[in-house]
Amino acid sequence: AQSVTQLDSQVPVFEEAPVELRCNYSSSVSVYLFWYVQYPNQGLQLLLKYLSGSTLVKGINGFEAEFNKSQTSFHLRKPSVHISDTAEYFCAVMAKRGAQKLVFGQGTRLTINP
Amino acid sequence: EAQVTQNPRYLITVTGKKLTVTCSQNMNHEYMSWYRQDPGLGLRQIYYSMNVEVTDKGDVPEGYKVSRKEKRNFPLILESPSPNQTSLYFCASSSTGGGGYTFGSGTRLTVV
Repeated sequence: AQSVTQLDSQVPVFEEAPVELRCNYSSSVSVYLFWYVQYPNQGLQLLLKYLSGSTLVKGINGFEAEFNKSQTSFHLRKPSVHISDTAEYFCAVMAKRGAQKLVFGQGTRLTINP
Repeated sequence: EAQVTQNPRYLITVTGKKLTVTCSQNMNHEYMSWYRQDPGLGLRQIYYSMNVEVTDKGDVPEGYKVSRKEKRNFPLILESPSPNQTSLYFCASSSTGGGGYTFGSGTRLTVV
């Protein structure tokens, strides 16, 4: 079984500052890794994913994430945030073999202050 | 446009009155899944389906039923809703190979 821990439930930052949202996972098998974003009153949108290969993956809206196998982490970063980045962010994992089940973390609410 | 469509978006119902939330995808995806989202708990899987007529329980299946008679549709059925099923529900679909799930816009259900 897999589990995901998002280390911060809320992250407030000022506009144009850098941000890092932390995600650790646990799994006994190889996994795919994902970050989703949920804007207020909307569904979930895929930000980026790690399937294999380069450990630094780039996504939409200027976000990127780095897969660290030894630390079982997949932290999300953006060098300069905008007010429009205010949203809830979910880290998720899926085992590479077997049922295509996404296991989510509890979410991190990112609030951008002017 | 590739999408997952859920209906209704909002629903208020009374305890015990059977209801169905519909879900349809136009991407010919094999996998479909239902999640519920509750504050502080993230998203938890209710049921999933790997193809037509193949469904299995997720982490929180009690009180729910699903069916997959056609590849594009995956309705969620609450035979006798209770207040603890008040939640935000998402349907999602995926192809194989780790492409990630595409989510619908959600259904906010209130059971009184």
